[in-house]
Amino acid sequence: GAGVSQSPSNKVTEKGKDVELRCDPISGHTALYWYRQSLGQGLEFLIYFQGNSAPDKSGLPSDRFSAERTGGSVSTLTIQRTQQEDSAVYLCASSFRDRPQETQYFGPGTRLLVL
Amino acid sequence: AQRVTQPEKLLSVFKGAPVELKCNYSYSGSPELFWYVQYSRQRLQLLLRHISRESIKGFTADLNKGETSFHLKKPFAQEEDSAMYYCALSGMYSGGSNYKLTFGKGTLLTVNP
Repeated sequence: GAGVSQSPSNKVTEKGKDVELRCDPISGHTALYWYRQSLGQGLEFLIYFQGNSAPDKSGLPSDRFSAERTGGSVSTLTIQRTQQEDSAVYLCASSFRDRPQETQYFGPGTRLLVL
Repeated sequence: AQRVTQPEKLLSVFKGAPVELKCNYSYSGSPELFWYVQYSRQRLQLLLRHISRESIKGFTADLNKGETSFHLKKPFAQEEDSAMYYCALSGMYSGGSNYKLTFGKGTLLTVNP
């Protein structure tokens, strides 16, 4: 079946612009996660959704970052007034349920470059 | 707080040699531990998890609660094992209402011919 998909695959933007990143999870997966992968920083948890609600937003680096999920499916991560330090690969993952033992299935990522 | 430490950023071995990727964790409860792998130009994927006690592609990992470690081992490395390996810990917090997956910073394994 289809895996997690993300769009765009690459995004180049100018400092100060807003960007929207999209994630389509595996059909039937109720939990959805966003991570940021930076050089030397590994994978940094940003936010996760159970259904349409986000029980944990603690990983969002600043109030310029927000995310939503609609219909228990597609999610968008929005970064407002982008800064150069926002440049990274943004990964989305989904799992069947939000339980600690669940395997997370990752998308290919969106590579964001802020000039 | 939960924390995962992978002390080696880079690890280089020759084909056929044993390989061990180290992972230590810090967590006050009972953790779920995973190894994820990212091959070149591929997406991050699960390699194995401690709850399954399985061997995938010849790799095994044993959870040692006394040493708070979950090292990944393979007796005979192959060139196709070259990849970035991430150790991850999943644990509950906030009174058991939330959980998150915390990753180490990864170890880049290179298996030379």
